[in-house]
Amino acid sequence: KNQVEQSPQSLIILEGKNCTLQCNYTVSPFSNLRWYKQDTGRGPVSLTIMTFSENTKSNGRYTATLDADTKQSSLHITASQLSDSASYICVVSNQAGTALIFGKGTTLSVSS
Amino acid sequence: DAGVIQSPRHEVTEMGQEVTLRCKPISGHNSLFWYRQTMMRGLELLIYFNNNVPIDDSGMPEDRFSAKMPNASFSTLKIQPSEPRDSAVYFCASSLSGGDETQYFGPGTRLLVL
Repeated sequence: KNQVEQSPQSLIILEGKNCTLQCNYTVSPFSNLRWYKQDTGRGPVSLTIMTFSENTKSNGRYTATLDADTKQSSLHITASQLSDSASYICVVSNQAGTALIFGKGTTLSVSS
Repeated sequence: DAGVIQSPRHEVTEMGQEVTLRCKPISGHNSLFWYRQTMMRGLELLIYFNNNVPIDDSGMPEDRFSAKMPNASFSTLKIQPSEPRDSAVYFCASSLSGGDETQYFGPGTRLLVL
């Protein structure tokens, strides 16, 4: 069964600290993996998209990694800011971007 | 560009009533997606259109749900009759194509069925 599991479910960190969110998937065949950021009360916003051949991709303070062999991805946030408080959703596609399997998300709270 | 536009932003209705959600995708985008998000199930893809044609509706939960895209700039998601378990946030998203392109989400419609 195609599944996407994210951990931790929630996380609280101090402003300025780094953190890493995990995503494990059992989706096959694999097309791409996406990380979205969703602020409370708003729609998700794309952070990164990685295909099978990509190991890492950065978007400012956000760096996503992908290990297609172990079917794991991580999202690393550097020097966290209060505005990073949001839900981070991992999404895996098993076809050309049309069949999407969503993780339940990790809720990150950054406190001052 | 105004981004993906959805209306209404909030909808409260009684069980059994018909609900119509509306979406205007980003101009020039050929693909449109309808999603549902709940605390229990997270985000779920309901249906996907490419060039106004439904490509994959396997996520549509029941016959009570229907979606149309009469032209490139407008889509509707209809629930008839609505039930309390349909309460959720419904998102519309669009992308340049249905492949590996980035999807841009609208602000969502928060639906509460009493």
